[in-house]
Amino acid sequence: QKEVEQNSGPLSVPEGAIASLNCTYSDRGSQSFFWYRQYSGKSPELIMFIYSNGDKEDGRFTAQLNKASQYVSLLIRDSQPSDSATYLCAVRGGGGSARQLTFGSGTQLTVLP
Amino acid sequence: DTAVSQTPKYLVTQMGNDKSIKCEQNLGHDTMYWYKQDSKKFLKIMFSYNNKELIINETVPNRFSPKSPDKAHLNLHINSLELGDSAVYFCATTGGGETQYFGPGTRLLVL
Repeated sequence: QKEVEQNSGPLSVPEGAIASLNCTYSDRGSQSFFWYRQYSGKSPELIMFIYSNGDKEDGRFTAQLNKASQYVSLLIRDSQPSDSATYLCAVRGGGGSARQLTFGSGTQLTVLP
Repeated sequence: DTAVSQTPKYLVTQMGNDKSIKCEQNLGHDTMYWYKQDSKKFLKIMFSYNNKELIINETVPNRFSPKSPDKAHLNLHINSLELGDSAVYFCATTGGGETQYFGPGTRLLVL
């Protein structure tokens, strides 16, 4: 059974700080890793994906992947109140898993003005 | 134009009733999904269809029956609704890239 685990939070950071969101996964065969953002009452939207070990940066967001430790994280630099949302980590296996994603339960982030 | 639309947006019904949720996507994608998100925000896949054919059916009670009349539509029919079915149901689609596009969700409350 694939599992993806996240701290549910809530995580509070002051405006301008770095928010660090963490995720671990159980399936060593997982190939692709995603971070979705979900505002309250809205649908999830993809903000980043990463395949390879190391860091991937996109604007204020950096995804970090360590396959040996089965760990993926998301850093949000210069956090803004508009970043306040639930962040969902998702993992996709290889082979015949089609494009099935397994989601964690999300971390609620609040950025305090 | 909305890429993925769902109807209804809200659904309040009594236990034991049968209800349907409809999903349509105008992105021309082959693959569509139904997810259930519970009150703890846990988003779990229920079904996946590729070009009208079922390819994933997670452990879901057989009271839930998806139907795909064409590759732009994936509907979800639920028989004999139970209290535990209360959740937000999201339809999603992907076209071969990495992004899954989610619909706005249908908030189901079973009383």
